[in-house]
Amino acid sequence: DQQVKQNSPSLSVQEGRISILNCDYTNSMFDYFLWYKKYPAEGPTFLISISSIKDKNEDGRFTVFLNKSAKHLSLHIVPSQPGDSAVYFCAASPMNYGGSQGNLIFGKGTKLSVKP
Amino acid sequence: EAGVAQSPRYKIIEKRQSVAFWCNPISGHATLYWYQQILGQGPKLLIQFQNNGVVDDSQLPKDRFSAERLKGVDSTLKIQPAKLEDSAVYLCASSLGSGRRNEQFFGPGTRLTVL
Repeated sequence: DQQVKQNSPSLSVQEGRISILNCDYTNSMFDYFLWYKKYPAEGPTFLISISSIKDKNEDGRFTVFLNKSAKHLSLHIVPSQPGDSAVYFCAASPMNYGGSQGNLIFGKGTKLSVKP
Repeated sequence: EAGVAQSPRYKIIEKRQSVAFWCNPISGHATLYWYQQILGQGPKLLIQFQNNGVVDDSQLPKDRFSAERLKGVDSTLKIQPAKLEDSAVYLCASSLGSGRRNEQFFGPGTRLTVL
């Protein structure tokens, strides 16, 4: 039973355009969400996070939007660059860990390809 | 700043054999995590240490998997005996603390193939 779902295994975008990666979750106890980026043969690296008390968090070209009623979040990359080509994982953390990151639940990932 | 180190990077064994993975976290990081990432899936937490104590091992298959973090620094993850379904990348991560704002830094992983 997948609690964090990334339904698009892959996404192809032209350089300079917007990339939108989507993530859905089912567990209402999740209140902290993160995006990780992973290049081949490397471990995931943290990209951006959002707490459930916010609906938007922005960091440079990366913006994460959270829609709690729909249990949906999205990562926007504007403008997309070829170096952004990687696998992007959505992760969620449940509130019952009392402030500890505890158990991060990851989605299956979306492979983004940005074409020059 | 040196990152999380893991060894070996690749390991091929036959089923029923034993294998051990090693992780050296970033200096000063109190929290250490082991994840299993099966091909096509996201990482799944196996065990979390705070210093040398276990915080969460609820998803560790304890009949065959064991982990330790002696002296609260390096950690080893062992599988004995291995099964075909253990083929995966084993990722180690560390963070300064266990609070939500503490970013987890991941190592490059060990790719295990069980034949």
